[in-house]
Amino acid sequence: DADVTQTPRNRITKTGKRIMLECSQTKGHDRMYWYRQDPGLGLRLIYYSFDVKDINKGEISDGYSVSRQAQAKFSLSLESAIPNQTALYFCATSDPGGGAGRADTQYFGPGTRLTVL
Amino acid sequence: RKEVEQDPGPFNVPEGATVAFNCTYSNSASQSFFWYRQDCRKEPKLLMSVYSSGNEDGRFTAQLNRASQYISLLIRDSKLSDSATYLCVVNNAGKSTFGDGTTLTVKP
Repeated sequence: DADVTQTPRNRITKTGKRIMLECSQTKGHDRMYWYRQDPGLGLRLIYYSFDVKDINKGEISDGYSVSRQAQAKFSLSLESAIPNQTALYFCATSDPGGGAGRADTQYFGPGTRLTVL
Repeated sequence: RKEVEQDPGPFNVPEGATVAFNCTYSNSASQSFFWYRQDCRKEPKLLMSVYSSGNEDGRFTAQLNRASQYISLLIRDSKLSDSATYLCVVNNAGKSTFGDGTTLTVKP
């Protein structure tokens, strides 16, 4: 079974709809992240959480919100989706004490392809 | 200026070629450095961590120059399966910043 899972894998929605993307992990990591990726670009950080009580805005948080329901679960919501939020969304986890050469390594879910019409 | 900059390529090379990718970063407080590989629209996966002393994993060699804020990745004896996008990643206090990636296509 995958260590980091995302649901749904694909979603098509309309402008103005509220959308929730979910992420679950079995790695036991405290740190979780949400990124978006647009064609030809790298990943941009939306929100991140270093533990259940910690939520931080990333580079591009406007139009998004998150909820850290448990150590293993981190959800991303688009309150009112707009077409320029069409992108590939990745959830990731990391362990700051991951050992030599592994600290802060990011482990990614398979991604959610979101299209807003 | 972007915090992490990479040559976007694309790099088109024949099998067996040696290819080098470069990356520069602007935050001198950055603490850890990585190269990730991303296949077409799939999740990025760690290729290797990067150390000042340099590190090698088979055909791949990564190097960090903290004074110049420069990271490199060398791929020797390229294989068709090396075709992918390579992402330079810089981490500071648990937050990772990704370059836009360098695309490599290895041709027969």
